[in-house]
Amino acid sequence: GAVVSQHPSRVICKSGTSVKIECRSLDFQATTMFWYRQFPKQSLMLMATSNEGSKATYEQGVEKDKFLINHASLTLSTLTVTSAHPEDSSFYICSATGGYNSPLHFGNGTRLTVT
Amino acid sequence: GDSVTQMEGPVTLSEEAFLTINCTYTATGYPSLFWYVQYPGEGLQLLLKATKADDKGSNKGFEATYRKETTSFHLEKGSVQVSDSAVYFCALNPNAGGTSYGKLTFGQGTILTVHP
Repeated sequence: GAVVSQHPSRVICKSGTSVKIECRSLDFQATTMFWYRQFPKQSLMLMATSNEGSKATYEQGVEKDKFLINHASLTLSTLTVTSAHPEDSSFYICSATGGYNSPLHFGNGTRLTVT
Repeated sequence: GDSVTQMEGPVTLSEEAFLTINCTYTATGYPSLFWYVQYPGEGLQLLLKATKADDKGSNKGFEATYRKETTSFHLEKGSVQVSDSAVYFCALNPNAGGTSYGKLTFGQGTILTVHP
């Protein structure tokens, strides 16, 4: 069964609103979580790395004020897309690991559509 | 920077056909290489990996050999099944040693459809 739960699987929101996506590790403590974005027919692009209890590290070109990441506990990380616009429409995927030499588990992804 | 290039899909095969999905990479140092599979409606799952040159990863009948001289990690299966229909991603981790911890660089994914 799934060891990483990502919710919601699909969300449609209006332009200008904010959307929160949750990523939970179900049976292990996720010291590190990664957030990816996938455009149609393109590869997964790493957006940011979050370690529990500390600020996320964003990849170059990713707006940290636009994509707020919180990793407040060892089982939960959230990605909030603030003031969403149609160009933010995409497939967002999280992954989680218990640390070095631990397996990396992926969530099922969230399809965000901004109208 | 690091990059991974996969053959473009989609790939459509009949059951029991031979499968090859090409993957080449660009990286400094000695990366670890991975193949992930994404079945419909599910998250990515690690299919196989290789940690150093000439290593062969294998799982569920799939194989891939880490070729440093050609910077390739092609995925092969001798006889595909309908249940193999999925999206396959080649990926690299700049850290050697086999762990998938850390930043992964993915290829664009290849959609495989297998018909009965």
